Amino acid sequence: SQQGEEDPQALSIQEGENATMNCSYKTSINNLQWYRQNSGRGLVHLILIRSNEREKHSGRLRVTLDTSKKSSSLLITASRAADTASYFCAFPSGGSYIPTFGRGTSLIVHP
Amino acid sequence: DAGVTQSPTHLIKTRGQQVTLRCSPISGHKSVSWYQQVLGQGPQFIFQYYEKEERGRGNFPDRFSARQFPNYSSELNVNALLLGDSALYLCASSFKDRGNEQFFGPGTRLTVL
Repeated sequence: SQQGEEDPQALSIQEGENATMNCSYKTSINNLQWYRQNSGRGLVHLILIRSNEREKHSGRLRVTLDTSKKSSSLLITASRAADTASYFCAFPSGGSYIPTFGRGTSLIVHP
Repeated sequence: DAGVTQSPTHLIKTRGQQVTLRCSPISGHKSVSWYQQVLGQGPQFIFQYYEKEERGRGNFPDRFSARQFPNYSSELNVNALLLGDSALYLCASSFKDRGNEQFFGPGTRLTVL
C-alpha cells in the first residue's frame, strides 16, 4: 500500500497567518481524510473529502482535492498558537479500505 | 459520551517480555483498529477488527496479535518484545468497517529497554 507524502515536513508561522500543507498520493482513492495530532497524543479527525468533491470547509479549515493531480491541500486560516500540532493525511490505498497515513506536517504557530 | 479509552497510558518493558494493551471503543462503534506510531512517523496500521472478526492486518510480524471481545473492546498483544517495538500504540474506533472517520484514543506509550 502506498503512503501519502505531506509537504512541507515542517512549517513555522506567526499567529494570524495562513498555513497551507499538501498531501500527494499515487493511486486512485475513494476518500481522503485529514487528522491533527497534538504532541504525541491521539489523532483528531478534521475533515473527510470524497473523490467526487473538490473542496470542503470546516470552520477555519479548507480542504481541496485534485484527483487529476492526485493531491490534496489543507488550509488553516488565521492560525492560532493552539493550532500547533502535526497534521496527517490518510486515505485507503492498494484496494484496501484501511486508511494509510503519511509522515505528517509539523506546524508551529508562534504567538 | 466517553471517547475511545486505552490502558495503560505508559508502559516500560524489557526485551523478550510480552505486553497486552487494551482499548474500549466509543459506545455503538463496532470497528476497532490498532496503529503503531514511531517517533517522527505517521501511524502504521497493525490490525482492524469488526464485529469480532479480523478484517485487516498490516505488515507486522506474528509476534503481534489482537482480538475483539463481544462488547467490542479489544486487546493488542505483542510477544518477545524488541527495542524497535518502542512506540505509541493507538487504537481507533469507527461505526462501520470502512468509509467512516476514525476516532482515536490517547494511545499507550510503550518503551522497551
